[in-house]
Amino acid sequence: EAQVTQNPRYLITVTGKKLTVTCSQNMNHEYMSWYRQDPGLGLRQIYYSMNVEVTDKGDVPEGYKVSRKEKRNFPLILESPSPNQTSLYFCASSSHRGMNTEAFFGQGTRLTVV
Amino acid sequence: GQNIDQPTEMTATEGAIVQINCTYQTSGFNGLFWYQQHAGEAPTFLSYNVLDGLEEKGRFSSFLSRSKGYSYLLLKELQMKDSASYLCAGIYNQGGKLIFGQGTELSVKP
Repeated sequence: EAQVTQNPRYLITVTGKKLTVTCSQNMNHEYMSWYRQDPGLGLRQIYYSMNVEVTDKGDVPEGYKVSRKEKRNFPLILESPSPNQTSLYFCASSSHRGMNTEAFFGQGTRLTVV
Repeated sequence: GQNIDQPTEMTATEGAIVQINCTYQTSGFNGLFWYQQHAGEAPTFLSYNVLDGLEEKGRFSSFLSRSKGYSYLLLKELQMKDSASYLCAGIYNQGGKLIFGQGTELSVKP
């Protein structure tokens, strides 16, 4: 089954404790992206990757890092989480640089930073 | 930035037709997506428009006017299960950036 898998689904952590949210897709997609979703603000792009070893900033990259060492995985790293990073996070993938093809979304990771 | 604007919420009656509008900035624009998102779930793809005109897919249709920076999603024969948030998203800069509107919360009432 074609899918995007995020882990964990829920996470409560403390300020400053490094964490990684994993994202994996089994569709051999070139394009992967991370979003955060906050009430009243909609989905905002954090980082995206056009292919292996190619990553670019989205609209809200501050406080986040990503890596794309292999095609299927695109982890999101918070080196020093802060309460303003409490949010619902989605990973998505699509073929052909995201153009003209639907993005498949993971089920989301609800992160709370206290 | 590439602002995407859509109404915050709409209400419609079961069996009726509803049109959700979306406006976007045209600089660097490549195409426009519509997604549906039920509460607590991931967005799911509805449509993609890159050329001007209407794309019909069952009960859902999507329209694009590139010159006006305008799109709409048309939902016909509304059902209760259509109650959801509808997200308009523009793709920019040769496919790299996907910019979402804040979403339109649609409530379908009996």
